[in-house]
Amino acid sequence: EAGVTQFPSHSVIEKGQTVTLRCDPISGHDNLYWYRRVMGKEIKFLLHFVKESKQDESGMPNNRFLAERTGGTYSTLKVQPAELEDSGVYFCASSQSGLAGVGEQFFGPGTRLTVL
Amino acid sequence: AQKVTQAQTEISVVEKEDVTLDCVYETRDTTYYLFWYKQPPSGELVFLIRRNSFDEQNEISGRYSWNFQKSTSSFNFTITASQVVDSAVYFCALSEVDVDKIIFGKGTRLHILP
Repeated sequence: EAGVTQFPSHSVIEKGQTVTLRCDPISGHDNLYWYRRVMGKEIKFLLHFVKESKQDESGMPNNRFLAERTGGTYSTLKVQPAELEDSGVYFCASSQSGLAGVGEQFFGPGTRLTVL
Repeated sequence: AQKVTQAQTEISVVEKEDVTLDCVYETRDTTYYLFWYKQPPSGELVFLIRRNSFDEQNEISGRYSWNFQKSTSSFNFTITASQVVDSAVYFCALSEVDVDKIIFGKGTRLHILP
């Protein structure tokens, strides 16, 4: 069974440009999460989808970030316009629904975003 | 508030030595989960273990062992007879049971020298 996949693996853009990151969760996983790690700091939660609905978006840094999960399958995270401080590694994770407490979250390989 | 502290930013040991990675956490909840993840040079996050707050038994999995002590709010991770392949960044993490997100520490970069 395929794991969580993310595309692209690496993106280099200039300040002010737009970038869209994609995450394909494990098939059948209703829960999808975005996290990011910026420059040697901790990995921070951004948001959580249950199917196509945003369950918790408390970690989204500002309105330059837009996450979607149309149809409850893959998800995209758009940054527009990108700023220097957005550089970091963006991780996606997915988990099954219906598990007590926190379901095991399976992480993708991450997308390394560099904003110049 | 939830917080995970990994005081060791970077550790280097010679292969075959034992090494312990420290993790201290803060939470107001009595029910929570603790995790360890490994991030090898390839970049992905690899799940190692999840423990719930009611289970203080130490766990051993091969060369890996975990020591959970509620009294000191610690969840330390020991690698016995370390190998070069253990070189990675290791993250300790916490989640409260009714909050479906994971709070990570800053990670400890572990170098195993041949």
